Amino acid sequence: DQQVKQNSPSLSVQEGRISILNCDYTNSMFDYFLWYKKYPAEGPTFLISISSIKDKNEDGRFTVFLNKSAKHLSLHIVPSQPGDSAVYFCAATEMEYGNKLVFGAGTILRVKS
Amino acid sequence: NAGVTQTPKFRILKIGQSMTLQCTQDMNHNYMYWYRQDPGMGLKLIYYSVGAGITDKGEVPNGYNVSRSTTEDFPLRLELAAPSQTSVYFCASSYSSGPSGNTIYFGEGSWLTVV
Repeated sequence: DQQVKQNSPSLSVQEGRISILNCDYTNSMFDYFLWYKKYPAEGPTFLISISSIKDKNEDGRFTVFLNKSAKHLSLHIVPSQPGDSAVYFCAATEMEYGNKLVFGAGTILRVKS
Repeated sequence: NAGVTQTPKFRILKIGQSMTLQCTQDMNHNYMYWYRQDPGMGLKLIYYSVGAGITDKGEVPNGYNVSRSTTEDFPLRLELAAPSQTSVYFCASSYSSGPSGNTIYFGEGSWLTVV
């Protein structure tokens, strides 16, 4: 029973264009969402997060959008760069449970130069 | 600047053997976690600790044990290894219980194969 789903296993984008990675969740108790980036043979690193009281959060080239009614969030990367090629994990938690994160399966992003 | 260090990086175990994955952090974090990642799946929480002497089960604790005798160390013990425990294991730590993601630091992972 996957509570966090990333339905696209992979995504290929041209350098300079927008990358959009999607994530759906089923647990309505989740109120904090995070995106992690992972390179091969390395641990995940935090990218950006959003609380359920917001519908958008920006950090440089990265923007996360949250649609609570649809239980959907997305990560936009603009412009995409070859160094962005990695696996992106969506994660969710209930604030009450702190850092006990529930992860999606990940999306492999490949940015072509 | 070590952060979270895991050893070993790679290990092959035979069915029924036991082993311990070591995890050390040098950031004086109270909270530590063990996750496993199976192919094509997200990370799943095995065990976590909120401080020395305190541990609790995560989503997939069966077949594992942990201890937390010091703030720095959080070893994960596999008893009677099974093929289903073939996975990549990640240790992580954070200084707060809040979900502010940039406080969670992951190690580089330990690749374990049980044959």
